[in-house]
Amino acid sequence: QVQLVQSGAEVKKPGASVKVSCKASGYTFTSYHMHWVRQAPGLGLEWMGTINPSGGSTTYAQRFQGRVTMTRDTSTSTVYMELNSLRSEDTAVYYCARHRTHCSNGICYWFFDLWGRGTLVTVSS
Amino acid sequence: DIQMTQSPSSLSASVGDRVTITCRASQSISRKLNWYQHKPGEAPKLLIYAASSLQGGVPSRFSGSGSGTVFTLTISSLQPEDYATYSCQQSHSYTFGGGTKVEIK
Repeated sequence: QVQLVQSGAEVKKPGASVKVSCKASGYTFTSYHMHWVRQAPGLGLEWMGTINPSGGSTTYAQRFQGRVTMTRDTSTSTVYMELNSLRSEDTAVYYCARHRTHCSNGICYWFFDLWGRGTLVTVSS
Repeated sequence: DIQMTQSPSSLSASVGDRVTITCRASQSISRKLNWYQHKPGEAPKLLIYAASSLQGGVPSRFSGSGSGTVFTLTISSLQPEDYATYSCQQSHSYTFGGGTKVEIK
């Protein structure tokens, strides 16, 4: 079954770090980039960054540069997202999502076709 | 950065209603626009990519249109399982709109 299974909810204190995992199954893990997206209470979805599971290269959204690290373990088909120096505004549901590309008439379109169910991270003193 | 603005932020509709959601980009994004449906506790679901291409398995009552800076998602006849939040995404730099919550009237 093609799916992304994320780790369970976390509660952290301000200043701490959190590491969320996303295990892929049912497809070739190294063939598709993976993204991380979060949704804070009352706000819209926010793209955090992406990792290429094949070589491990990453691209992060500017606002998370220096605070987020995305890694992968090809032996377990798992990607990880670690966020440091947590503050209350980081309270959110964090999702992993698979990248797909569709090309037509010489134009390529990118989208996220498979998502995990999300991991709630609560930052509270 | 390309900003995405959705309207309305919420709406109330009855089963069978036609629902239209609009997404505006701060600059032209051609047809590089996706639509997602998400519900609490569930994995978000891709509905439409490339502005108007229906993802496999998505009911045909969902349709997308537009290009450049203005896009719409239409649900032709709202069903009980369609009560959810809908978000657009531009795929140049992956920015999402603020979401539209569709509630029961």
